[in-house]
Amino acid sequence: DAGVTQSPTHLIKTRGQQVTLRCSPKSGHDTVSWYQQALGQGPQFIFQYYEEEERQRGNFPDRFSGHQFPNYSSELNVNALLLGDSALYLCASSRNWVNQPQHFGDGTRLSIL
Amino acid sequence: EDKVVQSPLSLVVHEGDTVTLNCSYEVTNFRSLLWYKQEKKAPTFLFMLTSSGIEKKSGRLSSILDKKELFSILNITATQTGDSAVYLCAVEEWGETSGSRLTFGEGTQLTVNP
Repeated sequence: DAGVTQSPTHLIKTRGQQVTLRCSPKSGHDTVSWYQQALGQGPQFIFQYYEEEERQRGNFPDRFSGHQFPNYSSELNVNALLLGDSALYLCASSRNWVNQPQHFGDGTRLSIL
Repeated sequence: EDKVVQSPLSLVVHEGDTVTLNCSYEVTNFRSLLWYKQEKKAPTFLFMLTSSGIEKKSGRLSSILDKKELFSILNITATQTGDSAVYLCAVEEWGETSGSRLTFGEGTQLTVNP
């Protein structure tokens, strides 16, 4: 039973570029959440997708956008990258209406030069 | 503003010691409190607590929630070097139309020396 998988593992970009990160949820899960974790900090909620729609959003600018596909996988897009966007981006999946914990992937380490 | 505060932020102990990690919170639509262990990459799930006063236990780890005083503790007895990690406390808020979100604390960096 595959857990949450994310790709790529690492990514290096320069300021102003755009990036797309990908996530496949755990089998049986239909909801995907994205988190940003800066070094030495706890993860911060970016947004959650369910039924291919953004359901809730944290305090992140519009440069951060996402998408969910019919197979429940998801993408996180970040435009006009800033140095401060350097972080570990974590994807978590869960089942809607079921009070069970979110399961996390290993994350994508994004470095902005 | 929703807030989760963990203490201490850093802790260094010797193998065999017992440690207690603390988590206090202020959130609007509380559904559960979760503890995760993070070593290098993915936070791995430890406990989910929804009711006050009921201790959850897994091996040498245990946790309890106090919904009146808005805090939780995570205990680790007979610590081992493999317990060295960042322990994250998160509070889940949930709404029928808005779904769920986790608000995390900064984490407690636990180092267990042999």
